[in-house]
Amino acid sequence: GNSVTQMEGPVTLSEEAFLTINCTYTATGYPSLFWYVQYPGEGLQLLLKATKADDKGSNKGFEATYRKETTSFHLEKGSVQVSDSAVYFCALRTPDGGATNKLIFGTGTLLAVQP
Amino acid sequence: DGGITQSPKYLFRKEGQNVTLSCEQNLNHDAMYWYRQDPGQGLRLIYYSQIVNDFQKGDIAEGYSVSREKKESFPLTVTSAQKNPTAFYLCASQDQAGTVTQYFGPGTRLLVL
Repeated sequence: GNSVTQMEGPVTLSEEAFLTINCTYTATGYPSLFWYVQYPGEGLQLLLKATKADDKGSNKGFEATYRKETTSFHLEKGSVQVSDSAVYFCALRTPDGGATNKLIFGTGTLLAVQP
Repeated sequence: DGGITQSPKYLFRKEGQNVTLSCEQNLNHDAMYWYRQDPGQGLRLIYYSQIVNDFQKGDIAEGYSVSREKKESFPLTVTSAQKNPTAFYLCASQDQAGTVTQYFGPGTRLLVL
């Protein structure tokens, strides 16, 4: 079946460090891929997305490239800030012809950035 | 401002009680979704609706019910049959054309007394 696997957290970094959060997926066909961010006590916000192989999504200094050959969509940021502390979710939308457009989420990775 | 609102922010349920969580959107989206979030388990789909007066069960629908009488509203009822209702509940809506992006509300935390 379709699934998303994220690296387990928490990930603890110092301010200005480089961030990588790994995400791999299993899906038939060509899913769309997403990263969402959840700040404490809040809902999820879309961070970035990619809809086809080799697409790069980017927003607020975060980037992720859709790699079909490795079925991956790793999240990166060159220099993290304390304000980036949050839970990050990788998700895919199954290419089922648009019948449901459901999202499948990973378990989330907690990022804690220390000053 | 367009967006999704959920109320209340916190909700307390007594044993044997049904409670209803509100979700309203003014984004003119056709599709709406309810998720349950438990620590370390990510989000699990409860129910979804792609159009008014129609909805389908998600992966964990037992003990929950929904209605979709208006495009902008998709309330979720947690019934007494749901034996472990303590969780964070998230509502989302989605544009079905163009980018097909899902947008989330701020969530409701349900606690059992």
